[in-house]
Amino acid sequence: GNSVTQMEGPVTLSEEAFLTINCTYTATGYPSLFWYVQYPGEGLQLLLKATKADDKGSNKGFEATYRKETTSFHLEKGSVQVSDSAVYFCALSHTGANSKLTFGKGITLSVRP
Amino acid sequence: EAGVVQSPRYKIIEKKQPVAFWCNPISGHNTLYWYRQNLGQGPELLIRYENEEAVDDSQLPKDRFSAERLKGVDSTLKIQPAELGDSAVYLCASGSGGTDSYEQYFGPGTRLTVT
Repeated sequence: GNSVTQMEGPVTLSEEAFLTINCTYTATGYPSLFWYVQYPGEGLQLLLKATKADDKGSNKGFEATYRKETTSFHLEKGSVQVSDSAVYFCALSHTGANSKLTFGKGITLSVRP
Repeated sequence: EAGVVQSPRYKIIEKKQPVAFWCNPISGHNTLYWYRQNLGQGPELLIRYENEEAVDDSQLPKDRFSAERLKGVDSTLKIQPAELGDSAVYLCASGSGGTDSYEQYFGPGTRLTVT
């Protein structure tokens, strides 16, 4: 079956530090890959997505590249801000009849001033 | 445009009591999902609707959980009777079912505590 594995957390960084959050997946076929973010007290929000191999998703300074050869979708940001403090979830989905999202466990990011 | 609306936001009940959660999806979204998120975990799908039809309820514990989506718009998820292990956040999401049919928009969730 499908599964998503995220690196263990939590992660604490200083403002303007470089961020990498690892995500690998196991799936049949060619899933779409996502990063969702959950800010304190808010619902899950789609941060970025990639729908095929070598696609790069980007949003708000965050980037992730769909690497089929390594089955990975690592999230990166060059310079984090305090406002990036949140829980980040990697997820995958297939279109059509199997369109449920399979999530990783999530990782908490805390950015200190 | 309004997002996915859920109520209540918080609910505390004693075990063996019934509880119900309500979801209003984004207008025009045909697909509706209910997920359960346990503490420290990612959400897991309970049931997916296409319009008023439940097309994937394989993960719904049918002995105590039930759901309905009358008229293919609002949905209600019910637990009867609740158990201690049901304490979690219950998330509703909706999607358009179009070319971006994999995109889902989440509500704020209902945090259930069973004592």
